[in-house]
Amino acid sequence: AQSVTQLGSHVSVSEGALVLLRCNYSSSVPPYLFWYVQYPNQGLQLLLKYTTGATLVKGINGFEAEFKKSETSFHLTKPSAHMSDAAEYFCAVSPNFGNEKLTFGTGTRLTIIP
Amino acid sequence: GAVVSQHPSWVICKSGTSVKIECRSLDFQATTMFWYRQFPKQSLMLMATSNEGSKATYEQGVEKDKFLINHASLTLSTLTVTSAHPEDSSFYICSASGATSIDNEQFFGPGTRLTVL
Repeated sequence: AQSVTQLGSHVSVSEGALVLLRCNYSSSVPPYLFWYVQYPNQGLQLLLKYTTGATLVKGINGFEAEFKKSETSFHLTKPSAHMSDAAEYFCAVSPNFGNEKLTFGTGTRLTIIP
Repeated sequence: GAVVSQHPSWVICKSGTSVKIECRSLDFQATTMFWYRQFPKQSLMLMATSNEGSKATYEQGVEKDKFLINHASLTLSTLTVTSAHPEDSSFYICSASGATSIDNEQFFGPGTRLTVL
């Protein structure tokens, strides 16, 4: 069984400040981990993914995440927030990549303060 | 990236009626499509997985006869909510993946908001 916990349903940061969105997972098998972003009235877009190999993963729009097995975490960060980063962010886990079932967290709404 | 559309984007219907939601892959052949349901402030919950030309595989607790899924072609899957009731009101999202997708990545549609009166 797998589950995902996203701490903080709402996060607000000032423009130019560090963005940190937290994700912890539970998995009975080695996980594949994902972050998706959802802009208003749009579909989910893949930001980045961890499958195997390097634990620090870089994605689109300057985001990155680090897989920490000992902490069962996959937190999403961006050094400097931009107004365009305001969106809903979802962390997800699957036992294998692609056609396997994705289990999502409840999402974190990121607000950027001008 | 690949584009997935959903139609309609929102629908309001009366209790007891049926509603059909379409999910289309616009620029790739989707061998597998997934249907999710999202309640306010909750996770996306997988309802079913469908492979082109095969019967859908439903998740535990999802009523097959209520949520009819058809994946008759490589670019179209439909979800029909039969005899809809207010508790079926939700946000329905589909995703699609295909043999030509990079690492079989799932591409998501924009969702359909269903309100049952």
